[in-house]
Amino acid sequence: AQTVTQSQPEMSVQEAETVTLSCTYDTSESDYYLFWYKQPPSRQMILVIRQEAYKQQNATENRFSVNFQKAAKSFSLKISDSQLGDAAMYFCAYRSGLGGGADGLTFGKGTHLIIQP
Amino acid sequence: DVKVTQSSRYLVKRTGEKVFLECVQDMDHENMFWYRQDPGLGLRLIYFSYDVKMKEKGDIPEGYSVSREKKERFSLILESASTNQTSMYLCASSLDYRGPHEQYFGPGTRLTVT
Repeated sequence: AQTVTQSQPEMSVQEAETVTLSCTYDTSESDYYLFWYKQPPSRQMILVIRQEAYKQQNATENRFSVNFQKAAKSFSLKISDSQLGDAAMYFCAYRSGLGGGADGLTFGKGTHLIIQP
Repeated sequence: DVKVTQSSRYLVKRTGEKVFLECVQDMDHENMFWYRQDPGLGLRLIYFSYDVKMKEKGDIPEGYSVSREKKERFSLILESASTNQTSMYLCASSLDYRGPHEQYFGPGTRLTVT
């Protein structure tokens, strides 16, 4: 079974600074996908960024980027120029690539990100 | 925009009651999922469905059942609610193909069993 570990229950960063959230995972599969989801207070979970395991290039979405280290099974999220609206719970998630897409996600326990004004 | 809706944001039920949590998606997605979210535990998969009337157990199916009679609707059933089922329940849906497609989540139902 796959596991996802987020070792930082809570992180705090000054507005406009850069913060990195850590995620490691354990799997014996070679084909899989990794995701970062954001859950703002009392709001719906939304996708921040995704990475396919076979792609060596790190995914980037505006101020959000990942550092994907496949051999180390590490998938960290970097948020540049932090904004107040980035305050949320962030979840790292894994999905197997073996199925046709119906597999559920395996989530980490989450990191609570606080943005200090 | 994909929309996933859940029948209630907050629900209070008594121990032993039968509880129905409803989820509807409007994007013709094949796959639908129910997760449970608890502080310090993240989200855990209860059940998922890849087609009408089809269902698969997730990681924590005990005490739950599901029903999918129509493609757009996926129900989670607590046959006899217990206090340890007090939690936030999240429904999600996705397309069915290989690839990094995302799951779209509903707003969640916070269930309290007293």
